[in-house]
Amino acid sequence: AQSVTQPDIHITVSEGASLELRCNYSYGATPYLFWYVQSPGQGLQLLLKYFSGDTLVQGIKGFEAEFKRSQSSFNLRKPSVHWSDAAEYFCAVGARNTGTASKLTFGTGTRLQVTL
Amino acid sequence: DAEITQSPRHKITETGRQVTLACHQTWNHNNMFWYRQDLGHGLRLIHYSYGVQDTNKGEVSDGYSVSRSNTEDLPLTLESAASSQTSVYFCASSATGVGETQYFGPGTRLLVL
Repeated sequence: AQSVTQPDIHITVSEGASLELRCNYSYGATPYLFWYVQSPGQGLQLLLKYFSGDTLVQGIKGFEAEFKRSQSSFNLRKPSVHWSDAAEYFCAVGARNTGTASKLTFGTGTRLQVTL
Repeated sequence: DAEITQSPRHKITETGRQVTLACHQTWNHNNMFWYRQDLGHGLRLIHYSYGVQDTNKGEVSDGYSVSRSNTEDLPLTLESAASSQTSVYFCASSATGVGETQYFGPGTRLLVL
């Protein structure tokens, strides 16, 4: 069975500083990988996803993530954080062999706080 | 614009009552999902559907049921609400195909007293 670990429950960074959120997955083959963001009281919005090809994926709002097969990781990065980036971030993994749709397994999330 | 809506947004109910949470999408997606979100657990899959008349159990399906009579709606029913079902519930939908993006609704916050 697939699983996702987000080792950091809570991270605080200063506005303008760089950010890296960690995500490790467990899956027997190359998975589909996703990062979602959830603002307070809102649903989840897709930031970016990895299917195949280039292991560095660009997303919305200036985020990027790098798939590293050897480390089973898919860390999310942003070079300069804005106060509006304060939210909860979820990494998710989807299997490639599940028929018509990929069920997602989510990590427990990382809450990002941005100080001014 | 296409969207996915959930109602009610907030609900308080009593233990033992039957509760139905609505999910409606205008994306014309075949796939629909229900998740619950709890602190320390992230999102966990309750039920999902790949099309009309199709429903499947997810990771935490005990005490919940769904039915799919049309493409747009996947209502979630708590047969006899329990305090352990106090949670935030999210509905999502996606197009057919492995790895398609799931689009999420705004959530329903349910409190079972």
